[in-house]
This record gives sequence, C-alpha cells and structure tokens, in this order.
Amino acid sequence: AQTVTQSQPEMSVQEAETVTLSCTYDTSESDYYLFWYKQPPSRQMILVIRQEAYKQQNATENRFSVNFQKAAKSFSLKISDSQLGDAAMYFCAYRSGANRDDKIIFGKGTRLHILP
Amino acid sequence: EPEVTQTPSHQVTQMGQEVILRCVPISNHLYFYWYRQILGQKVEFLVSFYNNEISEKSEIFDDQFSVERPDGSNFTLKIRSTKLEDSAMYFCASLGFVAREAGELFFGEGSRLTVL
Repeated sequence: AQTVTQSQPEMSVQEAETVTLSCTYDTSESDYYLFWYKQPPSRQMILVIRQEAYKQQNATENRFSVNFQKAAKSFSLKISDSQLGDAAMYFCAYRSGANRDDKIIFGKGTRLHILP
Repeated sequence: EPEVTQTPSHQVTQMGQEVILRCVPISNHLYFYWYRQILGQKVEFLVSFYNNEISEKSEIFDDQFSVERPDGSNFTLKIRSTKLEDSAMYFCASLGFVAREAGELFFGEGSRLTVL
C-alpha cells in the first residue's frame, strides 16, 4: 500500500523568507500524481501544486515550486517570499495513475506559521 | 470557476441520530469521494463512488455509513446512528479528467459534524 510521510508537524518562517516543507512517499508504481494541498483556518482543501510522475521537470506555480526526486521518492514544497496568507496546514498527497477512480492518500500535514 | 458545494456547513446532532451530508460535485465530473478529518488530524479516505456504485471504501466506512447519488446531481453521505467519534469535518471531492485538471481532486468546503 502507498504511504505518504511528512516528518515536520510544524514549521515557522519569517515573512518574505523562503521555507521548504518535506514529504516522502512509498510506492511500487511508476505512474502516479503528487500534490500539495493547503488547508487554511477556513478548513477548505485548496490545491497548491501538482506533479505528474512521468514529468522530469519540477512543477512551479508562482511562489510555489517543488523538488521532485523520483528515485528518492521525495516531493518537497518550496514557498518563496512567504506571505501572512500562506499560514495554513499543508498536506502532501499521492494518487495512483493506474485507475481512473483511485483515491488520494494524504500525509499527516505540516502546520506552517508565518512570523511578521 | 466551477466548485464543489456542501451542505450543511455545520450540523449538531444527538448521539444515535441519523445524519445526511449533501454534496453537489462539479457537473462534468464522474468520480466522487468522501473524506473525513477529525479535528487537527489526518484527512482520511472514506469512500469513492462511480457509475452509481461504490468503487472503494476504507475500514472506517462500516455498515452505519452509506452513500448515494439519488438525482444525478447530489451526492450524499448518510450516517445511520451517529456516535461521538463521528464528530469530524467531512469533505466531499470530485475528480475530473479534462486537460489541466486531470488527476486532481476538487474539494468542497466541508461539513462539520458535531455529535453530542
């Protein structure tokens, strides 16, 4: 079974600085998707960034980028120029690409605090 | 932008009562999911649903839970006899396969259930 591990329960970063959230996963599959979801205090799950495993290029969305290391099964999220609105719980997630209706599996999350 | 909507946003019920949580997925999506998040904890998969039947369910999804899509738009989660430990945030999600959104689950804002 696939697993997702986030080893940092909480992190803090100074506003405008850069922070990296770690994620590792375990799978025997070659075709899959990886995601970072943000959950602000409003509790809604918001997609931050996604990565298809077959793509070698790291995904980037404005201030958010990932470091995808397929062989190491690592998928870290870098947030540049941190803003107060980035404060949230961040979940790393995995989804198999084998079947159309496969579920997403979440890590336990990392709570990110932004210090003004 | 199309979105997944959930009602109610918050429901308080007495232990042993039946609860129905409702979701309207994005209109052209075909795969639907329910997840549960006990306060401050991991987001856990409950069930996936496709073509009017359950595709997969977790060990949490026991006989007191059921899902259905009665009218082609609403997707409901019913808890027949609520227990204290059912208190959680319940998220509905749907899956699309069109272009950029391929593989990404879209989440609703959640329904908070409090069992007294």
